[in-house]
Amino acid sequence: DAGVIQSPRHEVTEMGQEVTLRCKPISGHDYLFWYRQTMMRGLELLIYFNNNVPIDDSGMPEDRFSAKMPNASFSTLKIQPSEPRDSAVYFCASSLASGRSGNEQFFGPGTRLTVL
Amino acid sequence: GDSVTQMEGPVTLSEEAFLTINCTYTATGYPSLFWYVQYPGEGLQLLLKATKADDKGSNKGFEATYRKETTSFHLEKGSVQVSDSAVYFCALSEGPGTALIFGKGTTLSVSS
Repeated sequence: DAGVIQSPRHEVTEMGQEVTLRCKPISGHDYLFWYRQTMMRGLELLIYFNNNVPIDDSGMPEDRFSAKMPNASFSTLKIQPSEPRDSAVYFCASSLASGRSGNEQFFGPGTRLTVL
Repeated sequence: GDSVTQMEGPVTLSEEAFLTINCTYTATGYPSLFWYVQYPGEGLQLLLKATKADDKGSNKGFEATYRKETTSFHLEKGSVQVSDSAVYFCALSEGPGTALIFGKGTTLSVSS
């Protein structure tokens, strides 16, 4: 099992540019979560999906952020236009609601985004 | 709303010292509790968990007991190693398919 896969691992862009972060969850998992980690705010939930449907997007900072999950094996988080304050590490996590693992979430390695 | 508070670091210890990282929580229901560990440049890995009161989670020599009466889930290890140097996050979840709520994280540095 390859675990949760995120790409790119590092992204450096200039203010105003569009940024797309990608995530492939663990096969068979029915929940997918996007988190953001910053020094000031720690780890915070942005949005999560169940069976490809967004359930809670209350953590999405503003309209510049959007997330999609077109199928069970792929999700994107897009920032347009990007701003320096969006610089952070973005994590994707997946989980299977039933079974032995219960509500354990499995995290990807993260994408470190720097907006200049 | 639900929240998690954990002791601020950094925590600096010598190898073989005893470790305690305090964690308390506020929740409306009966959450599951977790400790995640983040090594430099990596994502978060589940270290241990407990799903109900008085449960003890354990892994790699680390332990934590779910104390409902004190709303706590303190992480302990009897003898730390240099390889334990990492950031430790306490977290709660109200149930399967719900988001994790994290504490701020505690940086542990162990020297030989």
